[in-house]
Amino acid sequence: QKEVEQNSGPLSVPEGAIASLNCTYSDRGSQSFFWYRQYSGKSPELIMFIYSNGDKEDGRFTAQLNKASQYVSLLIRDSQPSDSATYLCAVNKGQAGTALIFGKGTTLSVSS
Amino acid sequence: GAVVSQHPSWVICKSGTSVKIECRSLDFQATTMFWYRQFPKKSLMLMATSNEGSKATYEQGVEKDKFLINHASLTLSTLTVTSAHPEDSSFYICSARGLLRATLNGYTFGSGTRLTVV
Repeated sequence: QKEVEQNSGPLSVPEGAIASLNCTYSDRGSQSFFWYRQYSGKSPELIMFIYSNGDKEDGRFTAQLNKASQYVSLLIRDSQPSDSATYLCAVNKGQAGTALIFGKGTTLSVSS
Repeated sequence: GAVVSQHPSWVICKSGTSVKIECRSLDFQATTMFWYRQFPKKSLMLMATSNEGSKATYEQGVEKDKFLINHASLTLSTLTVTSAHPEDSSFYICSARGLLRATLNGYTFGSGTRLTVV
């Protein structure tokens, strides 16, 4: 079983819609969970991180964590064409502060 | 905010030569550096973890004699791809972690280096 799994997509949504991105992880000891956005040929940029079960909101983005189900998601409200990118889920390799393990990423396409 | 400067941003080299990639933390002390590589349309794969002043820890399947990592100071880490071959062509990215209270989560990524071996 892969450590971090994501649906590679592509996920296509119209402008203004909600995009829902999902991720599962295998290491129950993971403590920190991250969502990054990556444009083609660029380095990942942090969108959000979450440590505790439940929801965490930041502007148009909401991260949701369910440690019992080993599941983390990212909701993007009012999706914009500029949100079109690959979204990477990343999980700590064990304790906080250790290396991040990335999923394959989900490609999101927002059409205007 | 925390900044990691990675150079070069792109490099083309001949097969059999060596290439050095540098990552410098500009405004914080990078106690740990993580090196990743990313093949086209694939995710970031962790290559190694290095702590300042210590030998790097390599992930399974990564040749430590081919990918030399040096982390001799708290502001500089280098990755040298020795005897590069076309299959080493990839996007290499560093990620630094330090003791910087201003960082959002403690991981700061470099801008990446596109290596093409011909």
